[in-house]
Amino acid sequence: EVQLVESGGGLVQPGGSLRLSCVASGFSLSSYEINWVRQAPGKGLEWLSYNYVDGSPPKYANSVKGRITASRDNPRNSLFLQMSSLTADDSATYYCAREMLACGGDCYDLWGQGILVTVSS
Amino acid sequence: QSALTQPPSASGSPGQSVTISCAGTSSDVGAYNFVSWYQQHPGKVPKLLIFEVNKRPSGVPDRFSGSKSGNTASLTVSGLQAEDEADYYCSAHGGSNNFYVFGTGTKVSVL
Repeated sequence: EVQLVESGGGLVQPGGSLRLSCVASGFSLSSYEINWVRQAPGKGLEWLSYNYVDGSPPKYANSVKGRITASRDNPRNSLFLQMSSLTADDSATYYCAREMLACGGDCYDLWGQGILVTVSS
Repeated sequence: QSALTQPPSASGSPGQSVTISCAGTSSDVGAYNFVSWYQQHPGKVPKLLIFEVNKRPSGVPDRFSGSKSGNTASLTVSGLQAEDEADYYCSAHGGSNNFYVFGTGTKVSVL
């Protein structure tokens, strides 16, 4: 089955760090750009990071730049999001989302089920 | 990095049409033909409806259509059905300064 599965979420204290994983199955991650998107409870979608196929430096949203680092491990068909200096505002469901081939950009045709991150003491 | 502006809500009766606007700037919506629309039902993952302003992925009914004029994109849902009741988000590419940005979201109700 073609899917993305996130893991690594949970409860983290303010100021803490977390590393999310996104594992692809049924297709090769090395052929696709992958994005990270989050959604706070009851709120809208927020784009966080764009990860190039060719290993070029990822793009980040200004709201999280400097606090997140995205990376990929193509042989493991995996993508990672390292987050630090977390605050309550970072509490959200985090999604990895695949960019559709033959699309100029900004078109996510496959989403993971999402992983919940809660920042609280 | 401001979100694109969408109306908070829209509604229509079954069979009617509803149009949702997505207002951006000359740096994002107006600059590129990279505008997408997503549908999200409660508790579900977003689903791609429209990409590159007016293209539909395979499997998306032609009741969903997209367009753009200047700095504003629009999604029209024709022949409203009960299952169209959901949240809808636009997104756009904004160049190097604002790589991708989502809209604020619109809740569509089918009366």
